[in-house]
Amino acid sequence: ETGVTQTPRHLVMGMTNKKSLKCEQHLGHNAMYWYKQSAKKPLELMFVYSLEERVENNSVPSRFSPECPNSSHLFLHLHTLQPEDSALYLCASSQGPLDEQFFGPGTRLTVL
Amino acid sequence: AQSVSQHNHHVILSEAASLELGCNYSYGGTVNLFWYVQYPGQHLQLLLKYFSGDPLVKGIKGFEAEFIKSKFSFNLRKPSVQWSDTAEYFCAVMDTGRRALTFGSGTRLQVQP
Repeated sequence: ETGVTQTPRHLVMGMTNKKSLKCEQHLGHNAMYWYKQSAKKPLELMFVYSLEERVENNSVPSRFSPECPNSSHLFLHLHTLQPEDSALYLCASSQGPLDEQFFGPGTRLTVL
Repeated sequence: AQSVSQHNHHVILSEAASLELGCNYSYGGTVNLFWYVQYPGQHLQLLLKYFSGDPLVKGIKGFEAEFIKSKFSFNLRKPSVQWSDTAEYFCAVMDTGRRALTFGSGTRLQVQP
């Protein structure tokens, strides 16, 4: 089993849909992250959870809603997205907030 | 806000050529530094990291990077590239005070056989 898994790998949704992205880490880490990777832009940190508590929210629109039920799982709930939200969404985890982060393969999201 | 600059967006080299990718950051406090690599069709992987100590750090696959504090730089080097090094390379800087990781925009390396 690879360290950080993400499902689904690809998602196409309309602007009125509600969907969720799932991330699971098998590394025993205590911190988990959501990033957005858009074409020709740096990775943008969206949310940080440390010990299941949200510690960072980088002014992300409320149509993105994270959930961290335990230290191994992280969700990103999506609703009423816009076409400009189409991107690769990456999940990562780390032992502590200053340590190297291990990334999942990402979910390629297309909003029609 | 902290920023990370990678000067080269696209680099094309022949096999056996030497590589140096630039990375500069704007933050003046204590930082942890990383280089990540993303091979075609694969996820981001850590290449090397610097937390403290010897400013010349060695990573996997023959890569190394040098932290020059006075220049706010953490350039990535490899003496002789291989076709398999074709990938996108990302520099990342951790502001240890804010505990926030900021990525550069990436450098796409294409190695021609």
